[in-house]
Amino acid sequence: EVQLVESGGGLVKPGGSLRLSCAASGFAFGSYTMNWVRQGPGKGLEWVSSVTSSGSDIYYADSVKGRFTISRDNAKNSLYLRMSSLRAEDTAVYYCAREGRGRIYGGDYWGQGALVTVSS
Amino acid sequence: DIVLTQSPGTLSLSPGERATLSCRASQSVNSNYLTWYQQKPGQAPRLLIYGASIRATGIPDRFSGSGSGTDFSLTISRLEPEDSAMYYCQQYGSSLWTFGQGTKVEIK
Repeated sequence: EVQLVESGGGLVKPGGSLRLSCAASGFAFGSYTMNWVRQGPGKGLEWVSSVTSSGSDIYYADSVKGRFTISRDNAKNSLYLRMSSLRAEDTAVYYCAREGRGRIYGGDYWGQGALVTVSS
Repeated sequence: DIVLTQSPGTLSLSPGERATLSCRASQSVNSNYLTWYQQKPGQAPRLLIYGASIRATGIPDRFSGSGSGTDFSLTISRLEPEDSAMYYCQQYGSSLWTFGQGTKVEIK
């Protein structure tokens, strides 16, 4: 069974930093592109970042470029998101999502989410 | 960047009725890259439809997707109470995902 479990969320002050983790199991993690997607309170879904299977290609939304860093450790079946210079508007539930293969150009499996609250 | 606009914002229908949700793109989208999700309160999104019209594994056949170019739609043929949720369309382009703002389906 495919499982994605996020951790590392919490309350952080504006300007602070936080690292999210996503532990993957039940599939060949190193064969899939992985994504982070966030959802602000009462808002829609916003794609944040993606990293290809080998980690060689990385992409960011303009809203987080220069502040967030995505990475992965295929030996540990884990995905990470290092967030710095956090702002109130970064408050959201952060989901990790596996990008499908074949004809699926979206998230076929999602974690339950980690809540990040940026507030003084 | 491609912008996806979903309509209506909210759809309120009775069980057994047909729901049609629209997703309009600001420029043409490759149909292969158009995906629909269902999200219930407190839950992660669930993949419904990919490639504009292909149901994901385990999705009931009352859900169907169609469209091409700039106009796509998701149809729920006979609403069930458990279909009450937010529905999002998403397109893939230049290695990033773009989501519509969502349509809320309410069951009367």
